[in-house]
Amino acid sequence: AQSVAQPEDQVNVAEGNPLTVKCTYSVSGNPYLFWYVQYPNRGLQFLLKYITGDNLVKGSYGFEAEFNKSQTSFHLKKPSALVSDSALYFCAVRASGSARQLTFGSGTQLTVLP
Amino acid sequence: KAGVTQTPRYLIKTRGQQVTLSCSPISGHRSVSWYQQTPGQGLQFLFEYFSETQRNKGNFPGRFSGRQFSNSRSEMNVSTLELGDSALYLCASSPGQGDRNIQYFGAGTRLSVL
Repeated sequence: AQSVAQPEDQVNVAEGNPLTVKCTYSVSGNPYLFWYVQYPNRGLQFLLKYITGDNLVKGSYGFEAEFNKSQTSFHLKKPSALVSDSALYFCAVRASGSARQLTFGSGTQLTVLP
Repeated sequence: KAGVTQTPRYLIKTRGQQVTLSCSPISGHRSVSWYQQTPGQGLQFLFEYFSETQRNKGNFPGRFSGRQFSNSRSEMNVSTLELGDSALYLCASSPGQGDRNIQYFGAGTRLSVL
């Protein structure tokens, strides 16, 4: 079975400061990892994915994520947070070559304070 | 290119009724997945269709069913509605069979069961 843990329900950060949203995963085999963002009354928007290759993945809106196989983590980062980054963030995993569905974490509410 | 379109955006039903939700995928996408999002359970996978065939199914009762048409549009049906079925139902489309593919989500249908 595959699973994702987002240990923080809420993350607060001041505008201009770096932000990190944490994600750890459990999967059999090689993981495919994704980050999505959800704004109020909206669906999920894709931010970035890790399939293979460089451990540092760059995505939309200045976000990046670092894949760490030994720690089974895929933390989302941004060097300088914007108030408009305030939203609900989801990490998701899918095992390569297995069932197709994404397994999502419980989500982390990011609030960027002006 | 138009995104994933879900209709209707909002629905109010009463217990015991049935409901049908519709999803039009991104043009050219042949895979459609459905997810249920609730505050308590988070995002849970319902089922996936590819080329009119259900390819994968989550752990939901038989009251939840779906289908996909030859133009890749998909419908989801919930019969004998229960209060606990109140949720945001999200549809996601992806190009095809590859497990590396990104799933693109619609804005969702918010179902309220009274």
